Amino acid sequence: GNSVTQMEGPVTLSEEAFLTINCTYTATGYPSLFWYVQYPGEGLQLLLKATKADDKGSNKGFEATYRKETTSFHLEKGSVQVSDSAVYFCALSDHSGGGADGLTFGKGTHLIIQP
Amino acid sequence: DTAVSQTPKYLVTQMGNDKSIKCEQNLGHDTMYWYKQDSKKFLKIMFSYNNKELIINETVPNRFSPKSPDKAHLNLHINSLELGDSAVYFCASSPPGAYGYTFGSGTRLTVV
Repeated sequence: GNSVTQMEGPVTLSEEAFLTINCTYTATGYPSLFWYVQYPGEGLQLLLKATKADDKGSNKGFEATYRKETTSFHLEKGSVQVSDSAVYFCALSDHSGGGADGLTFGKGTHLIIQP
Repeated sequence: DTAVSQTPKYLVTQMGNDKSIKCEQNLGHDTMYWYKQDSKKFLKIMFSYNNKELIINETVPNRFSPKSPDKAHLNLHINSLELGDSAVYFCASSPPGAYGYTFGSGTRLTVV
């Protein structure tokens, strides 16, 4: 079956530090890959996505590149802010079955940015 | 307009009760889902449903049942609530091909 593995936190960084959150996956076929963010007390927001190998998703200074050879989709940001403190989820969608299987999520990484 | 809305946002109830959570999407998507987020923030799919087929995660107890009156709605009914059902439940939808998913804001269910 499909699975997503991401580094578990909490990850604590100082403001303006460089961020990397690792994510690797196991899937059949050619999945789409996503990063979702959950701010305290809120729902899930799509941060970025990539639908095929070598695609780079980007949004709000965050980037992730779909690496099929290493089955990875690591999230990066050059300079984090206190407002980036949240839980980040890596996820994949296996398009076999027309999306009936939904998203498979990693366990989430709690990011804490200190001023 | 909220794309995927679910009600209520908070639900506190006693063990043994039966409750429902409602979900509506105005995106015209074909497939809707229910996810459960446990106390450790882990998210797991419970159901997916389009107007033709219901896919049930085999780990979901049969006390949980989705009901879809039409394409835009997928409600979640829970019978005989247990303490372990306490969690945040998210509704979501996706268009054909499932290249994008939109989530509701969640319902925090507390069973006491």
